[in-house]
Amino acid sequence: EDKVVQSPLSLVVHEGDTVTLNCSYEVTNFRSLLWYKQEKKAPTFLFMLTSSGIEKKSGRLSSILDKKELFSILNITATQTGDSAVYLCAVTSGGSNYKLTFGKGTLLTVNP
Amino acid sequence: NAGVMQNPRHLVRRRGQEARLRCSPMKGHSHVYWYRQLPEEGLKFMVYLQKENIIDESGMPKERFSAEFPKEGPSILRIQQVVRGDSAAYFCASSPLDRGVNSPLHFGNGTRLTVT
Repeated sequence: EDKVVQSPLSLVVHEGDTVTLNCSYEVTNFRSLLWYKQEKKAPTFLFMLTSSGIEKKSGRLSSILDKKELFSILNITATQTGDSAVYLCAVTSGGSNYKLTFGKGTLLTVNP
Repeated sequence: NAGVMQNPRHLVRRRGQEARLRCSPMKGHSHVYWYRQLPEEGLKFMVYLQKENIIDESGMPKERFSAEFPKEGPSILRIQQVVRGDSAAYFCASSPLDRGVNSPLHFGNGTRLTVT
């Protein structure tokens, strides 16, 4: 069974700090890894990673995948209170690109 | 463009009642996926439907749960004789017929079901 483990489970920082969120996985026939941000409602898509070593970047957020060591990191620089959310990591595998296996998430709290 | 629309946002049911959750996909989308998020758990896949067809229901509990996506109207996730353990957030996502092999899923705002 596919497995996704995120760490830390929760994190409290101050505005302006840089944070790194971790996601490790065990998957048969890996296809892709995705990051989502979940505030009080819908998980919002951030990144999809399929190749090792290629950084994806969007503003202050960036992510990279290591398929050899089976993990990904999500970096957020110059954090803002609006970054407070649960960050979810998910993987797809095999022939399916719709059956995501999610981790339990990292709860990030950014204090002013 | 309206995203995936789910209703109701919140639903309270007593044990033994039925719950019906609705999902209207994005315009032009013909594939719908339901996920469930139990308290303190990650989201888990339940079912994948196309119009009038269930493609993959490997994540659905064997009893009391059913899903449909009729030719007209929203997709419905139906839970009969609800129990407290059904209390969760239920999310729906949709995709177009010709979605790319690696297109990400985009989720609706979810329905929070509380069973009292």
